[in-house]
Amino acid sequence: SQKIEQNSEALNIQEGKTATLTCNYTNYSPAYLQWYRQDPGRGPVFLLLIRENEKEKRKERLKVTFDTTLKQSLFHITASQPADSATYLCAHPRGTTNFGNEKLTFGTGTRLTIIP
Amino acid sequence: DSGVTQTPKHLITATGQRVTLRCSPRSGDLSVYWYQQSLDQGLQFLIQYYNGEERAKGNILERFSAQQFPDLHSELNLSSLELGDSALYFCASSVSGLGYTFGSGTRLTVV
Repeated sequence: SQKIEQNSEALNIQEGKTATLTCNYTNYSPAYLQWYRQDPGRGPVFLLLIRENEKEKRKERLKVTFDTTLKQSLFHITASQPADSATYLCAHPRGTTNFGNEKLTFGTGTRLTIIP
Repeated sequence: DSGVTQTPKHLITATGQRVTLRCSPRSGDLSVYWYQQSLDQGLQFLIQYYNGEERAKGNILERFSAQQFPDLHSELNLSSLELGDSALYFCASSVSGLGYTFGSGTRLTVV
């Protein structure tokens, strides 16, 4: 069955450093991956989407890579700040992909803490 | 405010009872997704509606049901509640599938 794994439950990073989170998937080749941020007791917030034919995508201090050979996506936050502390989730579509309304499978998330 | 509205925010009820959770999607979004999030399970997909019709089902129990109305709001009905049903229930909507917009969730506590 399709599996998506975020192999760090928690990650502590010093303020100003780059935080790198990992998302691995098995038994599947998703057409894209998405990354979300979730704060305690709140709904996830969409951050970035990267398609299988894109190696890298950037948005401000965020960078996502997608390696279809390794079946892995990396999520980087550069110049990290305490306000970046949250749980970060990766997600991929289940079933057929037509970029329209397919359901997502989420990883269990990595809880990131930026230490001042 | 994400544009997806969920009510109520909190719900405390007894085992065996039935509750209804409500979701209004973002204006223009035709798809509504329901997810359950508990501490040990992460976000679990329950069910998807698209323009009033059921599109996909996930790990939704038979005690749970949902529907989407002509005005596109959706309701998730949970019946014969058990302690293990205590969780955060999220609704999300999308127009193209390229990024969900989640509501703030309903925290259900079954006592």
